[in-house]
Amino acid sequence: GENVGLHLPTLSVQEGDNSIINCAYSNSASDYFIWYKQESGKGPQFIIDIRSNMDKRQGQRVTVLLNKTVKHLSLQIAATQPGDSAVYFCAETSGGSYIPTFGRGTSLIVHP
Amino acid sequence: NAGVTQTPKFQVLKTGQSMTLQCAQDMNHEYMSWYRQDPGMGLRLIHYSVGAGITDQGEVPNGYNVSRSTTEDFPLRLLSAAPSQTSVYFCASSGLAGKLTGELFFGEGSRLTVL
Repeated sequence: GENVGLHLPTLSVQEGDNSIINCAYSNSASDYFIWYKQESGKGPQFIIDIRSNMDKRQGQRVTVLLNKTVKHLSLQIAATQPGDSAVYFCAETSGGSYIPTFGRGTSLIVHP
Repeated sequence: NAGVTQTPKFQVLKTGQSMTLQCAQDMNHEYMSWYRQDPGMGLRLIHYSVGAGITDQGEVPNGYNVSRSTTEDFPLRLLSAAPSQTSVYFCASSGLAGKLTGELFFGEGSRLTVL
């Protein structure tokens, strides 16, 4: 896969604020996108995914937005809590591949 | 289900030593893979397998060997450890027949230090 990157390496927010984590990708053939959360000392954990035929998908307190025109993906976390503090990775696959390409990650720090 | 189980969680090796990181999954997943995670580098794919008896190289395969004799197990072997292999290693699995997706299930990681 081609490069999948993040705009900000670290994001600090106050508890209760909304958080937005951004991700840019360069492969125009990417058709499946995933966000993972990695807490300290643990393996990454799936949060939410979206396919390229959608531009928005909502989960519990999280929303993923996909803008294929500018090849941009974002993860919005509503009412951020200290337990949301973690590193967040975006990943993408294309052409039905099950081998995702990961971005470098954004560290989210939530201050009580 | 235990999910993806990795052992050991921590290991210290001397340069030149060999060892095997174990990975087992109980979800009947066809796809298994090994990643290494280094500070500021994200997750880099070492080797992967799409089923028993089938393995292939990822982005950073040098210095590592894998085998897949069963669906459940996917060990990663370091034949002659080097300090550059100091890292956190993650095993991940995905997919059932006909339902392969990009969602990976990760183990808790194995932290390896090579002196």
